[in-house]
Amino acid sequence: GAVVSQHPSRVICKSGTSVKIECRSLDFQATTMFWYRQFPKQSLMLMATSNEGSKATYEQGVEKDKFLINHASLTLSTLTVTSAHPEDSSFYICSARGLQVGINGYTFGSGTRLTVV
Amino acid sequence: DAKTTQPTSMDCAEGRAANLPCNHSTISGNEYVYWYRQIHSQGPQYIIHGLKNNETNEMASLIITEDRKSSTLILPHATLRDTAVYYCIVRVAVKTSYDKVIFGPGTSLSVIP
Repeated sequence: GAVVSQHPSRVICKSGTSVKIECRSLDFQATTMFWYRQFPKQSLMLMATSNEGSKATYEQGVEKDKFLINHASLTLSTLTVTSAHPEDSSFYICSARGLQVGINGYTFGSGTRLTVV
Repeated sequence: DAKTTQPTSMDCAEGRAANLPCNHSTISGNEYVYWYRQIHSQGPQYIIHGLKNNETNEMASLIITEDRKSSTLILPHATLRDTAVYYCIVRVAVKTSYDKVIFGPGTSLSVIP
């Protein structure tokens, strides 16, 4: 089946630094990728949607200059958390959609636990 | 996408069937009912989906009422590994540019030994 690989699984960074999270579709072309954020004991919140080769569309309340999304190829999307602060500590999850994944349409990555100290 | 309501939490004895309800009274004719689950600190996992008819796969069964306003996910023999948050989502299956998966609070299922 369709597989999405997300790296790193865990990252700890110092406040003020930037962190890049990668999301790769391994056996299909991901025409659209989605990025979610999840705080403890809460549901997943959609942050942004990106189509290959286009600028990402951000959900209301999500700072586009802080969460940089790049979807330069059909198999790779990256989320960069710039100038990270402790309040950015969260579980980040990507999801990919492609023509080959059938009617389900979506495959999720395993998530990245970001801790900003 | 139509909104859904689910109980916040449920318990189920190991080996028994777990029946997770979902209300989606405003579902549109072209919207499917999808179920995902999220085991702690992992990404969501697709379980099953359906439009009108009941569906069954190796993981679960999905029962959709005739008026499509509610559905029930059934895990026939719950194991401890089924402890997770279960999300019921309604959405169109066509991959349009507007299609995206929006998660509600879900049901936290605890399978008890």
